[in-house]
Amino acid sequence: AQSVTQLGSHVSVSEGALVLLRCNYSSSVPPYLFWYVQYPNQGLQLLLKYTSAATLVKGINGFEAEFKKSETSFHLTKPSAHMSDAAEYFCAVSGTSYGKLTFGQGTILTVHP
Amino acid sequence: EAGVTQFPSHSVIEKGQTVTLRCDPISGHDNLYWYRRVMGKEIKFLLHFVKESKQDESGMPNNRFLAERTGGTYSTLKVQPAELEDSGVYFCASSDPTGSGKETQYFGPGTRLLVL
Repeated sequence: AQSVTQLGSHVSVSEGALVLLRCNYSSSVPPYLFWYVQYPNQGLQLLLKYTSAATLVKGINGFEAEFKKSETSFHLTKPSAHMSDAAEYFCAVSGTSYGKLTFGQGTILTVHP
Repeated sequence: EAGVTQFPSHSVIEKGQTVTLRCDPISGHDNLYWYRRVMGKEIKFLLHFVKESKQDESGMPNNRFLAERTGGTYSTLKVQPAELEDSGVYFCASSDPTGSGKETQYFGPGTRLLVL
């Protein structure tokens, strides 16, 4: 069985500040991990994914995430927040050969001027 | 290249009625997934098609939900009869046929279903 926990349903940062969105996972098999973003009235868009290659994964729009097996974590970071980063972010895990995703609860990111 | 499309974008129906949601995946994507997000909850897997075959339907809530994928192209998800707890956003996603579990799933914008 797999599960994902995203700490903090709402995160608020100032423009230019560090963004840190937390994700912890549980998986009985080596996981594949994903971060998706959903902007208002749009579908989910892939930010980045970990597929057992490099543990530090760089994604689109300046985001990156580090896979830490010992901590079962895959936190998402961005050095400097932009107003356009305001959206809902989802962490997800897949550990089967058929790609069924298990999602966390989502984190709404608000960016203040 | 066109993305995943879903129709309708919104649907408001009364309890007991029938609703059919449609998903058109990215051309060439053999894998098609349905997910649902009930308000305040996480996005949950419903089922997975590989071409026209149901690979995994372990997430389907009950027998009021029927999914089909005609000819391995578009898919429909029918809810009959709809209940209040069926309200939520229904997402469709598709992916390349690698079967590895690491492939990217491309999501549609979702159908927002409200059952009154």
